[in-house]
Amino acid sequence: GEDVEQSLFLSVREGDSSVINCTYTDSSSTYLYWYKQEPGAGLQLLTYIFSNMDMKQDQRLTVLLNKKDKHLSLRIADTQTGDSAIYFCAEILYNNNDMRFGAGTRLTVKP
Amino acid sequence: EAGVAQSPRYKIIEKRQSVAFWCNPISGHATLYWYQQILGQGPKLLIQFQNNGVVDDSQLPKDRFSAERLKGVDSTLKIQPAKLEDSAVYLCASSSGLGGYEQYFGPGTRLTVT
Repeated sequence: GEDVEQSLFLSVREGDSSVINCTYTDSSSTYLYWYKQEPGAGLQLLTYIFSNMDMKQDQRLTVLLNKKDKHLSLRIADTQTGDSAIYFCAEILYNNNDMRFGAGTRLTVKP
Repeated sequence: EAGVAQSPRYKIIEKRQSVAFWCNPISGHATLYWYQQILGQGPKLLIQFQNNGVVDDSQLPKDRFSAERLKGVDSTLKIQPAKLEDSAVYLCASSSGLGGYEQYFGPGTRLTVT
């Protein structure tokens, strides 16, 4: 199975907040990432957080990191239909350069 | 700034045939990555280059997959011979340095092996 785990689906109404959760297994992870993938497209880097941070905010995006529980979340405020996509959580380890991805969470935004 | 370019975007081949994918990273990016993304899964790293040297190819099936980055810029990934389970999207990414703190992805090549 995946070292990085995410729930597969999330459905919200337009204007609501979306929270996508991720758990990772390696406490030596240095950076944790959120990528967005729209149909037929590559991965778009949304944001990332260094492991010594608890929170990072960037416009409508808020990333929360709980190192004790190895839990990462992405909150999207005022979710829009254009936010419908697959969101991938990823970690990169201190001792190598291997970026490991979760299986992705498919976010569906209903009007 | 131009993004990561890949070609072709789509390829359909029969099993046991050969196929090659091309990637042009963002200008000035020293590190280049090839990932395999099987439908319904996250990308899995196949190989990583730093300039024209291989940093990590531990997950590359070397009996059939090969990759090169001869001049430290463009890269090609080849599969010979292809198997049905190679059907996937092959993503190329680049970053400015080792560690890959910000990896930028190309649109991918969707390979279907019949």
